Amino acid sequence: AQTVTQSQPEMSVQEAETVTLSCTYDTSESDYYLFWYKQPPSRQMILVIRQEAYKQQNATENRFSVNFQKAAKSFSLKISDSQLGDAAMYFCAYRRAHTDSSYKLIFGSGTRLLVRP
Amino acid sequence: DTGVSQNPRHKITKRGQNVTFRCDPISEHNRLYWYRQTLGQGPEFLTYFQNEAQLEKSRLLSDRFSAERPKGSFSTLEIQRTEQGDSAMYLCASSLALGQGGYGYTFGSGTRLTVV
Repeated sequence: AQTVTQSQPEMSVQEAETVTLSCTYDTSESDYYLFWYKQPPSRQMILVIRQEAYKQQNATENRFSVNFQKAAKSFSLKISDSQLGDAAMYFCAYRRAHTDSSYKLIFGSGTRLLVRP
Repeated sequence: DTGVSQNPRHKITKRGQNVTFRCDPISEHNRLYWYRQTLGQGPEFLTYFQNEAQLEKSRLLSDRFSAERPKGSFSTLEIQRTEQGDSAMYLCASSLALGQGGYGYTFGSGTRLTVV
């Protein structure tokens, strides 16, 4: 069974600085997707960035980028130029890529990001 | 289309009562998911529908839980004889199938259930 582990319950960053959130996962499959979701307090979960396992190039979305190390089964999220609005819970998630699968997401336990003004 | 809508936002119920939640997905999304999220944890998969067919259920979904998606549109999640351990946020999400270009979900804001 696949598992996702986020070992940092809480992280803090100064506004405008850079922070990296860690995620490791376990799977025996070679093709899958990885995601980072953001969940602000009392608000819906939104997709921050995704990575296809067959792509070696790390995904980037504006100030958000990932460091995907497939052999190490590591998928960290780097937030550059942190803003107050980045404060939220961040969840790492895994999903199988097979077209006959349910596409269910397996989530880590989350990292709470605090942004200091 | 305003995204995935869940009602009610909050529900407080007495132990032993039945509750029902509703999810209205994005209209063109044929896949619909229910997740449960307890405090300080990530969401856990409960069940999913493709159109009106319920194709997978988690072992977390005990006999007291039932979900439906009549006509492949909105979905309901019912919990019978609620227990305090059922207190959680229940999240609904929808997506397109892979062949339709879908890979990510759109989540609703959730229904927070408190069983007293």
